[in-house]
Amino acid sequence: GNSVTQMEGPVTLSEEAFLTINCTYTATGYPSLFWYVQYPGEGLQLLLKATKADDKGSNKGFEATYRKETTSFHLEKGSVQVSDSAVYFCALTSGTYKYIFGTGTRLKVLA
Amino acid sequence: EAGVAQSPRYKIIEKRQSVAFWCNPISGHATLYWYQQILGQGPKLLIQFQNNGVVDDSQLPKDRFSAERLKGVDSTLKIQPAKLEDSAVYLCASSGQGAKDEQYFGPGTRLTVT
Repeated sequence: GNSVTQMEGPVTLSEEAFLTINCTYTATGYPSLFWYVQYPGEGLQLLLKATKADDKGSNKGFEATYRKETTSFHLEKGSVQVSDSAVYFCALTSGTYKYIFGTGTRLKVLA
Repeated sequence: EAGVAQSPRYKIIEKRQSVAFWCNPISGHATLYWYQQILGQGPKLLIQFQNNGVVDDSQLPKDRFSAERLKGVDSTLKIQPAKLEDSAVYLCASSGQGAKDEQYFGPGTRLTVT
């Protein structure tokens, strides 16, 4: 079946450091891929998405590229801020209206 | 455009009591989901509706959990009787017509069972 594997956290970085959170997936067909972010006490918010191979999703300085050859969708940001501290979830859907979420990676950014 | 609405935001009950959560999805969204998120974990799908029909409830503990979506719009999730291990955040989400569209989440209801 479909699955998503994320790197385990927590990830602790200093402000302005480079961020990478790894995400790999297993899926049949051509899934859509997503990164969601969850700030403390809130629901999940869509951060970015990509719907086909080689697409790059981007938002708020975050980027992720849909790599079919490596079945990956790694999240990156060139310079993190304290306000980026949150839990990040990688997710996919294969067109059946069912979504598979990773276990989440907690990011803590220190001033 | 209004987002997904949920109420209440917080609820504290004793074990063996009952509780109900309400969700109003984004207007026009046919698919509605209820998730359970235990602290430190990712969301776990409890039930998925397409309009007012159930698509997937394979992970719903049917001996104590029930959900309905009358008229294909609002939905209610009920727990009766509650157990300590039901303490979690209950998230409602909805998605649009496209089978690969993103989900939109409500703020969640934090349930504490004592």
